[in-house]
Amino acid sequence: KNEVEQSPQNLTAQEGEFITINCSYSVGISALHWLQQHPGGGIVSLFMLSSGKKKHGRLIATINIQEKHSSLHITASHPRDSAVYICAVRVGGLTFGEGTQLTVNP
Amino acid sequence: NAGVTQTPKFQVLKTGQSMTLQCAQDMNHEYMSWYRQDPGMGLRLIHYSVGAGITDQGEVPNGYNVSRSTTEDFPLRLLSAAPSQTSVYFCASRDTGEKLFFGSGTQLSVL
Repeated sequence: KNEVEQSPQNLTAQEGEFITINCSYSVGISALHWLQQHPGGGIVSLFMLSSGKKKHGRLIATINIQEKHSSLHITASHPRDSAVYICAVRVGGLTFGEGTQLTVNP
Repeated sequence: NAGVTQTPKFQVLKTGQSMTLQCAQDMNHEYMSWYRQDPGMGLRLIHYSVGAGITDQGEVPNGYNVSRSTTEDFPLRLLSAAPSQTSVYFCASRDTGEKLFFGSGTQLSVL
């Protein structure tokens, strides 16, 4: 069983919708990362969290350490948000979830 | 800053051949790492380094070697390529604030 579980695996939304992607993990961690993988394959870091909440533009990431759960929210989604979103937890090294494929239709 | 530069972008090898994937960063990051990405699986750590002269194994190190002679460079060597090493490989570095920076990836096919 993967130590990091993401849901949903695939998500299709209409432009403007509010998006939530979830990440659950099974072990104590020192940090959690949210990454975005573009259709061309490039990976960029969105957030690193160890507690609380962070916001950048239309993206919001939250983490609940006690419940071992994190969420990534996208407000007012746009077709350019279409990508794979990956959660990774730091337990020594990084352990990655399988990713959530998001498609936002115009 | 160029960030993390990874070469080549594509490579086809025959079983048994060796090759080196290059990774360089110009951000003076101490931590560098190599991952492979396979369909249906998350990224998996192959090897990592916390500074020049220091390397360690990750989750899937077999068949791969690394060295870190300088802060900037962290090459990954495939000693004798096998079809099971067909994958997409990513190099990454990490700054002191734990932000990750990824290279553009190498798509490797081993026939």
